[in-house]
Amino acid sequence: KQEVTQIPAALSVPEGENLVLNCSFTDSAIYNLQWFRQDPGKGLTSLLLIQSSQREQTSGRLNASLDKSSGRSTLYIAASQPGDSATYLCAVNGPDRGSTLGRLYFGRGTQLTVWP
Amino acid sequence: EAQVTQNPRYLITVTGKKLTVTCSQNMNHEYMSWYRQDPGLGLRQIYYSMNVEVTDKGDVPEGYKVSRKEKRNFPLILESPSPNQTSLYFCASSSEGFYEQFFGPGTRLTVL
Repeated sequence: KQEVTQIPAALSVPEGENLVLNCSFTDSAIYNLQWFRQDPGKGLTSLLLIQSSQREQTSGRLNASLDKSSGRSTLYIAASQPGDSATYLCAVNGPDRGSTLGRLYFGRGTQLTVWP
Repeated sequence: EAQVTQNPRYLITVTGKKLTVTCSQNMNHEYMSWYRQDPGLGLRQIYYSMNVEVTDKGDVPEGYKVSRKEKRNFPLILESPSPNQTSLYFCASSSEGFYEQFFGPGTRLTVL
């Protein structure tokens, strides 16, 4: 069974810092990996999706990389702002073996606080 | 607007009283799924559906039922809710199961 781990569990930084959030998964035969943001009591907002054939994706101040062979992904947040405060979730789709098509496995998230 | 909707958003009920949480998407997605989110356990998949009339169990299917009679709808049924099903529930959809997944706003269920 796929297991997804996120480190650190919580992070508190001053505004302006560049951040790296880590995600690791046990079975590297995945379809894709998706990073989400979740605000307290709210739903999940998709930030970035990386297909298994890709190495990275960028959106604004966010950059996500994928090293499928080593089972790792990182989410890089540049010039952090208080509005970035939220929980960031990593989710892996797969492994890509018939019976698990469409299965999504989540990490427990990194709770980020950016203070002014 | 492309979206996944869930109803109700909040529900308080009592043990054993059957309930249904509805989920609907307007993106013509083939793939839909249900998750529950619990403190310390994260998000876990309950059931998923690859297309109409095709459903399969996720990691925590016990105590839940689903059906997929129409492409746009994927209701979650709790036939005899118990307090351990108190949780935050999310519905999600995507095209073909391995593209970007879109989540609904969540349903907070409390079973007394």
